[in-house]
Amino acid sequence: AQSVTQPDIHITVSEGASLELRCNYSYGATPYLFWYVQSPGQGLQLLLKYFSGDTLVQGIKGFEAEFKRSQSSFNLRKPSVHWSDAAEYFCVKGNNNNDMRFGAGTRLTVKP
Amino acid sequence: GAVVSQHPSWVICKSGTSVKIECRSLDFQATTMFWYRQFPKQSLMLMATSNEGSKATYEQGVEKDKFLINHASLTLSTLTVTSAHPEDSSFYICSAFVRSGPTNEKLFFGSGTQLSVL
Repeated sequence: AQSVTQPDIHITVSEGASLELRCNYSYGATPYLFWYVQSPGQGLQLLLKYFSGDTLVQGIKGFEAEFKRSQSSFNLRKPSVHWSDAAEYFCVKGNNNNDMRFGAGTRLTVKP
Repeated sequence: GAVVSQHPSWVICKSGTSVKIECRSLDFQATTMFWYRQFPKQSLMLMATSNEGSKATYEQGVEKDKFLINHASLTLSTLTVTSAHPEDSSFYICSAFVRSGPTNEKLFFGSGTQLSVL
């Protein structure tokens, strides 16, 4: 079965430090991959998406993600975290059938 | 872990009929549920926010009379697509929001419903 794994349930980083949130997916067909952020009390906001082309994708708020087919990964990165980045992050995988699979989410806490 | 059950997972219906999608939180109470719609190769679009016991808050451009949302209990929210038409064909997904403390919030997703209107 298709699945999306976010190995880290909770990550804490200091403000200004770099960030990497991990995402791995199963099922080998070229996926559509998304990263969403959910801020407290709000719905989802799309950070970035990958369908094809350049495997390094730039998103909003200074985030980027790199699609690595050999590792079945789509990790989210940010060089310098801001306190406002504290939120829950979801990795999502879709396919040609528009079937979406969500990771369990990674909660990011930012220390002053 | 917490589970959100969404049914049906897929449905095919004739144009003009109504379709109900259920979203249940199986082992927790969800004060808020979100309903999303997703078109191929596009991001999720928030349709409405549903709070138990009150009217849903719809996003701009979403027809309230077309997409009826009912959140009758803390464990069940339903989305009814009324008089469905082919342009309503899409992937619909619900999510349940749980706040168990001032800094402890979590969003759980249903498995989605693929609606095809003929």
